[in-house]
Amino acid sequence: EIVMTQSPATLSVSPGERATLSCRASQSIDDNLAWYQQKPGRPPSLLIYGASTRATEIPARFSGSGSGTDFTLTISSLQSEDSAVYYCQQYNNWPRTFGQGTKVEIK
Amino acid sequence: QVQLVQSGAEVMKPGASVKVSCKASGYKFVNFAMNWVRQAPGQRLEWMGSINAGNGYTKYSENFQGRVTIVRDTSATTVYMELSSLISGDTAVYYCARSKFYYDRNGWQSDAYDIWGQGTVVSVSS
Repeated sequence: EIVMTQSPATLSVSPGERATLSCRASQSIDDNLAWYQQKPGRPPSLLIYGASTRATEIPARFSGSGSGTDFTLTISSLQSEDSAVYYCQQYNNWPRTFGQGTKVEIK
Repeated sequence: QVQLVQSGAEVMKPGASVKVSCKASGYKFVNFAMNWVRQAPGQRLEWMGSINAGNGYTKYSENFQGRVTIVRDTSATTVYMELSSLISGDTAVYYCARSKFYYDRNGWQSDAYDIWGQGTVVSVSS
């Protein structure tokens, strides 16, 4: 099973500042990585797939990068509505696995 | 519009089985896979299993030791997930989520999950 490790656990960022979230896979997953945003009481929603492709209607301030084992989600200019937990997921191997999440707080 | 609507909350006794449904609409059902993910309180998302809605082939997480069964009804455009021999640790929100599927040398594969159901709360308590 591929273990996905996210860091940091919590990120506190001021509005308008950049937020950088990391996700590491225990073995190579090529670019078969997705990022999801989850707000309290809501299901996750897809932000990024293929490591760097924004999903439909996702604002350009969200970007993804990386390949192999190390990946990054960047929110270029944090907005108040971006307060959420962000999860990475690999879909290169069965079983599909998720990271433990990074909580983004607005400072 | 594309949407997945799940069945309502369930309260179950230990040892029982629960069956959660996921009704798909707004897209061609057999062209996509359906995946089941659960989230226990304060925990990370956990993949349970997936079904290729085109041919009915399934993949399951070994973490559930054969307790999970996923089937689809193409005429009803609905996928069902049954979890048996429930324990208190199965208390969670259960989500269905759609993905594309494709084939490679290892068989069928699912892509990222682009549409999610609203979630079904399953509580297991004596």
